[in-house]
Amino acid sequence: EAGVVQSPRYKIIEKKQPVAFWCNPISGHNTLYWYRQNLGQGPELLIRYENEEAVDDSQLPKDRFSAERLKGVDSTLKIQPAELGDSAVYLCASSPSGVPYNEQFFGPGTRLTVL
Amino acid sequence: GQNIDQPTEMTATEGAIVQINCTYQTSGFNGLFWYQQHAGEAPTFLSYNVLDGLEEKGRFSSFLSRSKGYSYLLLKELQMKDSASYLCAVRDRSSNYQLIWGAGTKLIIKP
Repeated sequence: EAGVVQSPRYKIIEKKQPVAFWCNPISGHNTLYWYRQNLGQGPELLIRYENEEAVDDSQLPKDRFSAERLKGVDSTLKIQPAELGDSAVYLCASSPSGVPYNEQFFGPGTRLTVL
Repeated sequence: GQNIDQPTEMTATEGAIVQINCTYQTSGFNGLFWYQQHAGEAPTFLSYNVLDGLEEKGRFSSFLSRSKGYSYLLLKELQMKDSASYLCAVRDRSSNYQLIWGAGTKLIIKP
């Protein structure tokens, strides 16, 4: 079974530039999560999707961050414009539908560096 | 509010046993998870506790006491590959079943 796929793995941009991250969840997993993880910290939830619907985006900085999950499969997270403080690892995770479910499967993450 | 505390770093010897503690405060407890994260890699699921007691899975065991807001992860017969960060996370009903994560405990295994 293929795992969660994310691209790119690394991204370096200058501040004020836009950036986008892509995630393909495990086949059949209806729930998709985007997390941000700073060095030495645990993941912080940005947004959770159930199929196409964003059911929890309370911690997404909506002035510069946006996300979409067209057709309830792949998802894209965008930052525009990026700031220095956005440097972090952006993790995508998926799980089968239904709350609560126990295990989230994480992708390898995208390491973003904003200069 | 919500709060999860775990030690920042621990050191143990190959072949030994180590216990990593986690204390939490949450208003809508709905399960506690332990994940392992090797440096530069994604977290991977280790264990889940929702009822009090010990869950054993091979060399790893996890314990929960809901009344004390306390859990521990016990690693036996330590191997060098166990060097990683161990993240404690609590699922919270009052936060739409979000996982609230601790900062992780970096475990260093020495020969």
